[in-house]
Amino acid sequence: QKEVEQDPGPLSVPEGAIVSLNCTYSNSAFQYFMWYRQYSRKGPELLMYTYSSGNKEDGRFTAQVDKSSKYISLFIRDSQPSDSATYLCAMRHGSGNTGKLIFGQGTTLQVKP
Amino acid sequence: ETGVTQSPTHLIKTRGQQVTLRCSSQSGHNTVSWYQQALGQGPQFIFQYYREEENGRGNFPPRFSGLQFPNYSSELNVNALELDDSALYLCASSLARTSSELFFGEGSRLTVL
Repeated sequence: QKEVEQDPGPLSVPEGAIVSLNCTYSNSAFQYFMWYRQYSRKGPELLMYTYSSGNKEDGRFTAQVDKSSKYISLFIRDSQPSDSATYLCAMRHGSGNTGKLIFGQGTTLQVKP
Repeated sequence: ETGVTQSPTHLIKTRGQQVTLRCSSQSGHNTVSWYQQALGQGPQFIFQYYREEENGRGNFPPRFSGLQFPNYSSELNVNALELDDSALYLCASSLARTSSELFFGEGSRLTVL
């Protein structure tokens, strides 16, 4: 079993839809939770970063962490064609002196005009 | 501000050969991490370098090795290439070794025939 599970999709939605992306994980030591966006032929870029449980909002993006269920989500409101990309969840332990990130497989999102 | 740059962008090698991939970190960043991203998968942590020392290693064999130079640029070396080494190799720099905000380059795509 992988430490982080993410449905690879693809997920296709019409422009303006609300998108929900999710990851589950098995390691309760994870304390830092991130969402990275990766456009085709590019490196990932950080979208959202959350420490421990709770919600965080940034413009059209909302990240949620439920540590009791070991479940994290990313919501995209008013989705745009420019949001078409692969979305990677990533997690990190709370202890230690290394920034090793554990990534999910990534979900491919297509927003159709 | 110059971002993370990687070279070469694409290369083709045959099984058993050796390869060196290079990375220039973002200005002001003293930590470099390397990730391997197979097609359709999320990035997997290879190792991290902090102030020229290896600072954490993932589940990769010793034929994967690295260096970090005084200017914080880095190299990834892979010996005795295998077909399964075909992947996108991503370099990421960060302000600190425990930072969750990684700045990725566009990657070096390695094909092993």
